[in-house]
Amino acid sequence: DAGVIQSPRHEVTEMGQEVTLRCKPISGHDYLFWYRQTMMRGLELLIYFNNNVPIDDSGMPEDRFSAKMPNASFSTLKIQPSEPRDSAVYFCASSLFPAGFNSNQPQHFGDGTRLSIL
Amino acid sequence: GENVEQHPSTLSVQEGDSAVIKCTYSDSASNYFPWYKQELGKGPQLIIDIRSNVGEKKDQRIAVTLNKTAKHFSLHITETQPEDSAVYFCAARGYGQNFVFGPGTRLSVLP
Repeated sequence: DAGVIQSPRHEVTEMGQEVTLRCKPISGHDYLFWYRQTMMRGLELLIYFNNNVPIDDSGMPEDRFSAKMPNASFSTLKIQPSEPRDSAVYFCASSLFPAGFNSNQPQHFGDGTRLSIL
Repeated sequence: GENVEQHPSTLSVQEGDSAVIKCTYSDSASNYFPWYKQELGKGPQLIIDIRSNVGEKKDQRIAVTLNKTAKHFSLHITETQPEDSAVYFCAARGYGQNFVFGPGTRLSVLP
């Protein structure tokens, strides 16, 4: 199993530029999550999808952030325009649909994209 | 919504000693509690989990205990080794698939 694959691993760009982060979930997983990790706020859930449909985007900080999942094997997180305070590590995770109370499924994380906005 | 607290924020132990990390949660409806280990430059990796119908679970040197009444759960690592050095996160799953993570504990195992 290849695991969750994220690209790029590192991104450095200037303020105001558009940033696109990409994620390929584990094949067969029904849920996909985007997180942001910073020293100050820890791991924050931004948005998650079930069967390619956004379920909860209440963690998306501003309208500058948007996420899409056009198919079961690909998702993007876009920031436009980017700002220095968006600098963080962004993680994508995926999981199977839990079949029942005793089938809670863990989330499997990618290795993240380290984003630096200058 | 769910709130997860985690203590201590940093922990240093001598190789071979035990390490204990504690978490509390606020939502009594939460029913699944995973623990993740994050090494430098990597994403969090699941190391053990426990469901609310179980009080304790063990996997080799790692164990997790859950007290639903008090709403707290703990990670125990015995016979620590240098490769156990990492940041550890607890999490609680309540409504839907929304995991809430604790702030993390940086564990250092000193040789």
